[in-house]
Amino acid sequence: KAGVTQTPRYLIKTRGQQVTLSCSPISGHRSVSWYQQTPGQGLQFLFEYFSETQRNKGNFPGRFSGRQFSNSRSEMNVSTLELGDSALYLCASSSGTADYGYTFGSGTRLTVV
Amino acid sequence: KNQVEQSPQSLIILEGKNCTLQCNYTVSPFSNLRWYKQDTGRGPVSLTIMTFSENTKSNGRYTATLDADTKQSSLHITASQLSDSASYICVVSAQNSGYALNFGKGTSLLVTP
Repeated sequence: KAGVTQTPRYLIKTRGQQVTLSCSPISGHRSVSWYQQTPGQGLQFLFEYFSETQRNKGNFPGRFSGRQFSNSRSEMNVSTLELGDSALYLCASSSGTADYGYTFGSGTRLTVV
Repeated sequence: KNQVEQSPQSLIILEGKNCTLQCNYTVSPFSNLRWYKQDTGRGPVSLTIMTFSENTKSNGRYTATLDADTKQSSLHITASQLSDSASYICVVSAQNSGYALNFGKGTSLLVTP
């Protein structure tokens, strides 16, 4: 079956702009979670959506937001980009229930200049 | 505070040799522990998942152990190959976390000819 698809793979934005990243989960999976990965901090949890509702949220500023659609696809938006937002953004797909399997996408590499 | 510490931070070994990576955690109450392999610029790929009652699990040349009493896990790689060069990430989730994951910063492994 198809894996987790993240688009775009690479993105270059200017400081102050906003950006929207997309994640299509594995068919049948209802949970999508988002993570930021930087060399210094490793992977950090942003938020998780399950059945179009945000179920958990990490410690990121309000500039980071997300949503999930009825087909389980999810988008993440970052407004007023800062240089420190440059990172690999990963999403992970899961059934969202007692199945502990998470499948990650290949990520979107965001560079803010 | 839930924390996951991995050691060593980086490791260089010769092809064909064995190695062991360590993961200590303070996540409580414990739900499960996973080891992921992440190639550069790609998303993490699951190697093993262990719950409280499991103390060892293998996936080919990868063997993970879990000591829930001391809150330690190890990942042993046997007969290393050049393709094992990657970052290995330990991820621990708590029972009440609502599926939010606690990540270690990873061990960067380089296998040389």
